[in-house]
Amino acid sequence: QKEVEQNSGPLSVPEGAIASLNCTYSDRGSQSFFWYRQYSGKSPELIMFIYSNGDKEDGRFTAQLNKASQYVSLLIRDSQPSDSATYLCAVNLGSNYQLIWGAGTKLIIKP
Amino acid sequence: GAVVSQHPSWVICKSGTSVKIECRSLDFQATTMFWYRQFPKQSLMLMATSNEGSKATYEQGVEKDKFLINHASLTLSTLTVTSAHPEDSSFYICSAGDRGTSGEQYFGPGTRLTVT
Repeated sequence: QKEVEQNSGPLSVPEGAIASLNCTYSDRGSQSFFWYRQYSGKSPELIMFIYSNGDKEDGRFTAQLNKASQYVSLLIRDSQPSDSATYLCAVNLGSNYQLIWGAGTKLIIKP
Repeated sequence: GAVVSQHPSWVICKSGTSVKIECRSLDFQATTMFWYRQFPKQSLMLMATSNEGSKATYEQGVEKDKFLINHASLTLSTLTVTSAHPEDSSFYICSAGDRGTSGEQYFGPGTRLTVT
């Protein structure tokens, strides 16, 4: 069974610090990896995606992918209270856009 | 780019009636659209995958005769909840895949359904 696992949290981080969110996946055939943010009562929004080993940076966000260890992470630098949300990790196996979803990590940024 | 709209944003209906939810990709063509349901404080649950011009593929445990999905064009998919019951009250979210991208899905804003 193809799985994506995340720590449900909540993960509490002080404002201005680095928040580190982790995700592991079971299928070595996974090709693309996505991080979505979901505020309470809202639909998910795409933050960034990565498909090559290494780091990918976009503003305060950095996605890291290690295919050998089958994990992907999201770092949020200079965390702000507005970053408080549930972060969803999703994996694409390469066909039909269908994503395998993690259950999400709730992140709380404390002022 | 990659904007998905959903209508209505919220709806209240009486038990036994049917409700139709529309999902539109506004600035791209979506050969594949997805319908999710999310109960409070729970994870996204994929209900079905719809491809333009063909029958939807439903996830195990989702009643295809209750949740009717139509994907008649590359920009529009509809979900009809038939004979709604209070236990169908939930947050329904659609998403669409943009052709030529890396497989990401773009989500509509969701529809909150309350069945009384």
